[in-house]
Amino acid sequence: QKEVEQNSGPLSVPEGAIASLNCTYSDRGSQSFFWYRQYSGKSPELIMFIYSNGDKEDGRFTAQLNKASQYVSLLIRDSQPSDSATYLCAVNRGYQKVTFGTGTKLQVIP
Amino acid sequence: AAGVIQSPRHLIKEKRETATLKCYPIPRHDTVYWYQQGPGQDPQFLISFYEKMQSDKGSIPDRFSAQQFSDYHSELNMSSLELGDSALYFCASSEPAGTFFNSPLHFGNGTRLTVT
Repeated sequence: QKEVEQNSGPLSVPEGAIASLNCTYSDRGSQSFFWYRQYSGKSPELIMFIYSNGDKEDGRFTAQLNKASQYVSLLIRDSQPSDSATYLCAVNRGYQKVTFGTGTKLQVIP
Repeated sequence: AAGVIQSPRHLIKEKRETATLKCYPIPRHDTVYWYQQGPGQDPQFLISFYEKMQSDKGSIPDRFSAQQFSDYHSELNMSSLELGDSALYFCASSEPAGTFFNSPLHFGNGTRLTVT
């Protein structure tokens, strides 16, 4: 079992719809969770981070964390073609040990 | 705002040569991470440093070494380069945080290494 798992996609959603990206992790002791967006050939860009169970909203983005289920998700409302990218889930297992998932490729269809 | 600076942006080397990649973290960030990303792949963790000491080690080949200096910049040294080392190499830094609640990683623009 990989430490951080994501569906590789591609996930296709129509413009204006909600995109839902999911991530599971294996280390129950993990405390910090991050979502990054990466365009091809570019560096990962931080979108959201979440530490506590529940939801955290920032503009069109909502991160959801359920530590009991070892599950973290990212919702993108009113999806735009410019949101088309690979979304990476990252998990901090403590002591500066951060592991990335394989990423989910999102395609927003105009 | 200051970002993570990586140099060079592009590097072309021949097989069996050596390469040195440099990373200058955001001011006051004490932790540096190195990642390797091949085409169509997720970033693979190589190594990290916290307060100039190695804090974690990933899939870094024995041919590679790295260190963090007193000014917190880091260098990744790669020897006996192979064709498979061609990739994007990212450096990231994070600010001081508690043991478990790591602050987010901020990435540099990467160094694209091509081995011919």
